[in-house]
Amino acid sequence: SQKIEQNSEALNIQEGKTATLTCNYTNYSPAYLQWYRQDPGRGPVFLLLIRENEKEKRKERLKVTFDTTLKQSLFHITASQPADSATYLCALLSGNTPLVFGKGTRLSVIA
Amino acid sequence: GAGVSQTPSNKVTEKGKYVELRCDPISGHTALYWYRQSLGQGPEFLIYFQGTGAADDSGLPNDRFFAVRPEGSVSTLKIQRTERGDSAVYLCASSSSDRGRRFFGPGTRLTVL
Repeated sequence: SQKIEQNSEALNIQEGKTATLTCNYTNYSPAYLQWYRQDPGRGPVFLLLIRENEKEKRKERLKVTFDTTLKQSLFHITASQPADSATYLCALLSGNTPLVFGKGTRLSVIA
Repeated sequence: GAGVSQTPSNKVTEKGKYVELRCDPISGHTALYWYRQSLGQGPEFLIYFQGTGAADDSGLPNDRFFAVRPEGSVSTLKIQRTERGDSAVYLCASSSSDRGRRFFGPGTRLTVL
């Protein structure tokens, strides 16, 4: 069956370090992979999109990689700040299927 | 410009009642989506509209759930004979293209007592 797994429910890191979040998928051939940020009581906010033929995408302190052989995407936040604390969701778009979300990873950046 | 808005922000109802949840997408966005999110879970797809028509309703859990978008803008999600298991945050999103980023509203928190 199709599955999207985000590596951990929660991740705690020290301010200034790089946070790395993982998204693994099985039985998908995604055309696109998207990352969203969600704060408590709010809807998800789009961060980055990466296509199947792209290896890496960057935006300011954010970097996303996409390895279709490993069926994995990594999401990095460099020089993390307490304001980066939130839940991060990965989502896949594959063929004609709707955008499907993982459960998310709750990141806490400790000052 | 204005983002996606949803009303009400909170809805408390009793088991067996009928509820309507409203979504106002970003002006000009032809694609509109409804998702449901339970605590600790990611958003779960319910239905996708392209213009006025439901392009994909495969996520609707059963025939108690129905959604409309009669003029290709505002959408209403309707739930009949609500059950306690329907309690969740209902999220609406819109986009200019089905291949692109989704813009989410703040959600409606539905509680069925």
